Parts: sequence; structure tokens; C-alpha cells
Amino acid sequence: EDQVTQSPEALRLQEGESSSLNCSYTVSGLRGLFWYRQDPGKGPEFLFTLYSAGEEKEKERLKATLTKKESFLHITAPKPEDSATYLCAVQEGWAGNTGKLIFGQGTTLQVKP
Amino acid sequence: DADVTQTPRNRITKTGKRIMLECSQTKGHDRMYWYRQDPGLGLQLIYYSFDVKDINKGEISDGYSVSRQAQAKFSLSLESAIPNQTALYFCATSASISTDTQYFGPGTRLTVL
Repeated sequence: EDQVTQSPEALRLQEGESSSLNCSYTVSGLRGLFWYRQDPGKGPEFLFTLYSAGEEKEKERLKATLTKKESFLHITAPKPEDSATYLCAVQEGWAGNTGKLIFGQGTTLQVKP
Repeated sequence: DADVTQTPRNRITKTGKRIMLECSQTKGHDRMYWYRQDPGLGLQLIYYSFDVKDINKGEISDGYSVSRQAQAKFSLSLESAIPNQTALYFCATSASISTDTQYFGPGTRLTVL
């Protein structure tokens, strides 16, 4: 069964303290792995898509990496405005796929000044 | 203006009432999705539509129905609302080619008393 597990569930950092969020996945052929940011009461905001092991993408203080079994979202020198829930989702790669995303439960990040 | 809009943003209703949630998009995407988000459970797919004539059930479709009135409009109905349908509901869209990245609306917070 396809599964996505994110860890930790919650993370508290001091401003400037770098860390990483983990997303482990089990899927029958990966079409894509997606990272989203979600602020309280708002819809998920797209950050990155990764397609193959070894791929990396960066945006400001965020860097996403992908292996065959997991993805990491590295946050370098975070600021309070980076506080949010970060969601990971995978999409199966098979003919006729629904486009369905399988979401993890998210990691809630709090960055204190 | 937002690319994906949802109405209403908040709704409180009573058990047994019929409720319709609406989603509109200006992204020109063919694919549209309805998700439900509950605390600790992540996002779950309710229904998805690849075009106006193609509508499919997701993993938790019982108690829900949908209508795709046009390429840009996708509505979710709760025929007879029950308290355990209290949740955040999100609409998402994606293009039918390339990355399949899904873009989410701002959400509707539904409370069933």
C-alpha cells in the first residue's frame, strides 16, 4: 500500500538554526514528489516538485532533495516567517494514473525570534 | 485575483441539511479535485474530474456528490450533512500535461452541528 510518512510531527527552531524535515514514502513507481507549505486556515501553497533520485531544488532558504525512499526539506537559517506546516505528497507513475496525490500528515515548524 | 477560489469560506450548518461548496478557477486547467483535511489525518481525496464529462470517486466519496458545470467550475455537495463531515475542504486544479502539479484554493471550513 502506498504510504507517506513525515517526521518530525512538530519542530521548534530558533531563528537562524538550520534543520531538515523528512518525508519517507512507499509507492509503486514514483511520478513525482511534491512539497507544499500550509499556513493556518489557508490552502497548501506549492513549493517544489522532484522527479528522480538525486534531484535537488532550492527556493530562498529552502532546499528539497530526493532519494529512492525519502525526501528532505532543508531549511537554512530560518526566519519566523518560515513558520508553517510543510506537507509532502507523492504521485504514482503508471499509465492511466489519476493524478492522485498521497499526502503525509505534515510537519509543523515554529521558528522563534 | 486568486487563481482558484472557493465559496463559502466558512459555513455552519445542521445535521441533515444539504450543503454545496463551490470552486472556480481561472488557470485554464482541465483537472479539478476535491480534498478533505482533518487534524492528524492529512489531505484525503473525495472526487476528481479530468474534464466536464469525466468524474471519478476518490478514496472517501461516501456521503458526497459533485458536479462539473464547466471547465472552470467544480462543486461538491453534501446531500445530508452529518457531524463527522466537519472538516476543511479544499479544491485543487492541475494541467493534464507536464508536471501534474496541483494548485489549491483557500479552503472552506465546514462545521456540521
